[in-house]
Amino acid sequence: DIVLTQSPASLAVSLGERATINCKSSQSVFFTSNNKNYLAWYQQSPGQPPKLLLYWASTRESGVPDRFTGSGSGTDFTLTISSLQPEDVAVYYCQQYYETPPTFGQGTKVEIK
Amino acid sequence: VQLMQSGAQVTKPGASVKVSCKASGDTFSGYYVHWVRQAPAQGLEWMGRINHRGGGTNFAQTFHGRVTMTRDTSTTTVYLDLNSLRPDDTAIYYCVTEAQWGWFDSWGPGTLVTVSS
Repeated sequence: DIVLTQSPASLAVSLGERATINCKSSQSVFFTSNNKNYLAWYQQSPGQPPKLLLYWASTRESGVPDRFTGSGSGTDFTLTISSLQPEDVAVYYCQQYYETPPTFGQGTKVEIK
Repeated sequence: VQLMQSGAQVTKPGASVKVSCKASGDTFSGYYVHWVRQAPAQGLEWMGRINHRGGGTNFAQTFHGRVTMTRDTSTTTVYLDLNSLRPDDTAIYYCVTEAQWGWFDSWGPGTLVTVSS
């Protein structure tokens, strides 16, 4: 199985400041035939199910604010929140759908400093 | 698509539980419905998936022999059965639909299953 390792486990950021979350895969999730990275990001607000933020590593789901940006390729990926808002307090997960079983990172908790 | 799940359940070790997931609008998107669980204050764990059209299933190795996934096409409902329950099966169980290329686009509200003697 592909192992995804997120860092840090938690971070506290001031409102309006940048938050950066990393996700490292144990093997490449880049598919050469279509030039796509099979990686998604989810946001889980307290008491809620996860919500899809990004797929193909950097494509925002409809309705997701543009302060959420995904980058990276192959085995190393980053989720950046450019200007943290109160509603962004959540746990963020990366997930690979390159192969079955799909696997998740262990999550990164984002809080307000 | 919106997903509706059955209510919370409390059950004893060794027993079985069945959780349902129904799609609004009489159809699931895509081909697969997955089940993902989350133990208290823990991360997300994939359990398996069912092709809601053909009925084929794939399970995580962790659950082989204990899990069954079925579907009722007449009611657009899928079911998760987990048997030989242990206290560490206490978790929220989510049904999730898979978009065309594999990411998880819609999540149900979750069903809390508590296993306690």
